[in-house]
Amino acid sequence: EVVLTQSPGTLSLSPGERATLSCRGSQTVTSNYLAWYQQKPGQAPRLLIYGASSRATGIPDRFSGSGSGTDFTLTISRLEPEDSAVYYCQKYGRSATMYTFGQGTKLEIK
Amino acid sequence: EVQLLESGGGLVQPGGSLRLSCAASGFKFSDYAMNWVRQAPGKGPEWVSHIFGGGDRSYYADSVKGRFTLSRDNSNNTMFLQMNSLRAEDTAVYYCVKDAVPYNGVCDAFDVWGQGTVVTVSS
Repeated sequence: EVVLTQSPGTLSLSPGERATLSCRGSQTVTSNYLAWYQQKPGQAPRLLIYGASSRATGIPDRFSGSGSGTDFTLTISRLEPEDSAVYYCQKYGRSATMYTFGQGTKLEIK
Repeated sequence: EVQLLESGGGLVQPGGSLRLSCAASGFKFSDYAMNWVRQAPGKGPEWVSHIFGGGDRSYYADSVKGRFTLSRDNSNNTMFLQMNSLRAEDTAVYYCVKDAVPYNGVCDAFDVWGQGTVVTVSS
């Protein structure tokens, strides 16, 4: 079973800065089946990125994903106050038993 | 507009049962695999169960296998999660979640989430 480890646990940045969030797998993530979600308090998660680097519908181009193998990155450029949220990475694949979430990174906008 | 609406949550004693429902609209329900994902207070999401579009195959997390049963009624665009032998650790918000693309050999990322229904297991 692949374990996803996210870092840092908490990130505190100012508006206009760039955030870099990391997600590392304990084994290779097959075919880059890696997604990123944003969750704000009291809301359901929202899909941002799938296939490691493809933006979901309606997601601004300030959000970008990269990486392959075991190391993946979510980059948020030109931070805005509404980007404050917890961000989760998720692995998916050819069997539903491959669904795994990371433990999350909390992004605070000062 | 694609929408998922959960219902059926509530307070139940340990060992009890609950049946969650998810009503879907705005897309061709039978073309998509569906899932339940739960989130315990202060924790990250945890995938619970997945069912193929035709309802002919389903998967379960080890933590619920043998206790939860997932089914769907494509004629009424509805999915059900029967939860038996509930435990305190099943306490969570349960989300109904749609796979992003029609099944193509991959159990895909989740593009639409419901608002969630709260399940509390406590005496």
